[in-house]
Amino acid sequence: AQSVTQPDIHITVSEGASLELRCNYSYGATPYLFWYVQSPGQGLQLLLKYFSGDTLVQGIKGFEAEFKRSQSSFNLRKPSVHWSDAAEYFCAVGALGGTASKLTFGTGTRLQVTL
Amino acid sequence: DAGITQSPRHKVTETGTPVTLRCHQTENHRYMYWYRQDPGHGLRLIHYSYGVKDTDKGEVSDGYSVSRSKTEDFLLTLESATSSQTSVYFCAISDYRDRVYEQYFGPGTRLTVT
Repeated sequence: AQSVTQPDIHITVSEGASLELRCNYSYGATPYLFWYVQSPGQGLQLLLKYFSGDTLVQGIKGFEAEFKRSQSSFNLRKPSVHWSDAAEYFCAVGALGGTASKLTFGTGTRLQVTL
Repeated sequence: DAGITQSPRHKVTETGTPVTLRCHQTENHRYMYWYRQDPGHGLRLIHYSYGVKDTDKGEVSDGYSVSRSKTEDFLLTLESATSSQTSVYFCAISDYRDRVYEQYFGPGTRLTVT
């Protein structure tokens, strides 16, 4: 069974500083990997995804993530954080199971941005 | 934004009463999902559907049932609500894009069982 670990429950960074959110996954085959962002009281918005090809993927809002198979990781990065990036971030691994694609989510990392 | 609506957006109900949550999509996507979100657990899959009248269980399906009689609607029913089902419920739909099934989420329904 697939699983996702986000080791950091809460991270605080200063506006303008760089950001890296960690994600480790467990999956037997080549995974689909996703990062979602959730603002308070909102649904989840897809930031970026990886399936194959270039291991560095670009997403929306200036985010990128790097897939490292040897480390089973898919860490999310942003060079310069803005106050509006304060939200909760979820990593997810997807699998084609039966006749549908199901996602397994990590427990999330809450990002606080100080001015 | 994907055309997904959920109703109601907020509901308070008493233990033992039946509750039905509705998810409606305007995208004509084949796959639909129900998740619950709880602190410390992230999102967990309750049930999903891969077509009209075709559904299957997720990892936390006990106490829940679903139905899908039309492509656009996916209903989640709590037959007899319990306090442990107090949660935020999200519906999602799935689209195949760039060789990957992407999921898009609705705004959520906050359910409180007293």
